[in-house]
Amino acid sequence: QSVLTQPPSVSGAPGQRVTISCTGSSSNIGAGYDVHWYQQLPGTAPKLLIHGNSNRPSGVPDRFSGSKSGTSASLAITGLQAEDEADYYCQSYDSSLSGSEVFGGGTKVTVL
Amino acid sequence: QLQLQESGSGLVKPSQTLSLTCAVSGGSISSGAYSWSWIRQPPGKGLEWIGSVYHSGSTYYNPSLKSRVTVSVDRSKNQFSLKLSSVTAADTAVYYCAKGPAAGNWYGDYWGQGTLVIVSS
Repeated sequence: QSVLTQPPSVSGAPGQRVTISCTGSSSNIGAGYDVHWYQQLPGTAPKLLIHGNSNRPSGVPDRFSGSKSGTSASLAITGLQAEDEADYYCQSYDSSLSGSEVFGGGTKVTVL
Repeated sequence: QLQLQESGSGLVKPSQTLSLTCAVSGGSISSGAYSWSWIRQPPGKGLEWIGSVYHSGSTYYNPSLKSRVTVSVDRSKNQFSLKLSSVTAADTAVYYCAKGPAAGNWYGDYWGQGTLVIVSS
C-alpha cells in the first residue's frame, strides 16, 4: 500500500478534462514537501511532467497542470488527447521513520 | 542533451549481489551539483525509490532497503552504481537510474531507459 494514494484509473473522451488526485498525510504533502508528477507511456521510462507542485519542464504541453492544497495534490489534463493514454505517478518526500522519497501507486488514464 | 544508460547483469541468483551501472553522457557527472538516483519497478507494479547520492557525497537510502543497498559515484568514468545484496525474487524489477536537482525536494528530471533484472536460480 502506497504512502501516497492515487485512483487506479480515470478516463475521458478526447478533448475533455480529467484530474488525478494524490492524497497524502501530515508527514509528506501536508508537511510542505513538494509534489512531482511523472507520465509513463507503455514500455518506456517515466518522464517528468510537473515538478515543485506546479512547474512544467521545458517541452511539456501547457495542457498539463499541477496544484497542491493541504495534504493533497492534483494533476489536471485539459484537452485530452489519445497520446495522453499512460500511467501517471505522483511523488513526494515522507518524513516518517527515517525519511524517504515516496511514489503514489499510479493512475492509468484511458482515452475513450 | 544529457543521457543516462543502465547496464549490468540481467539475471542474478538468490542471495547474491545485484550490481548495476549508469553511464552518463552529454555532460559531466561532476559538473553541477546534482543528485544521482536509482528507482525500480516490479513487473506490472508501481515505482519505488531505492537511493540517491548527492554531489557532496552524501547518500540517502529507502529505509526498507537500507541494510542491503550501496549507491556510489565514479567520477573518473562518469558513471554511478547500485549494489543490492542478498537479493530475493522480490527484487525482480526494471531498474532505472535518474538525475535529480542538487538540493531541495528530489525529483528525477532525466531518466535512463531502464534495465530488467530477474532474480532466479
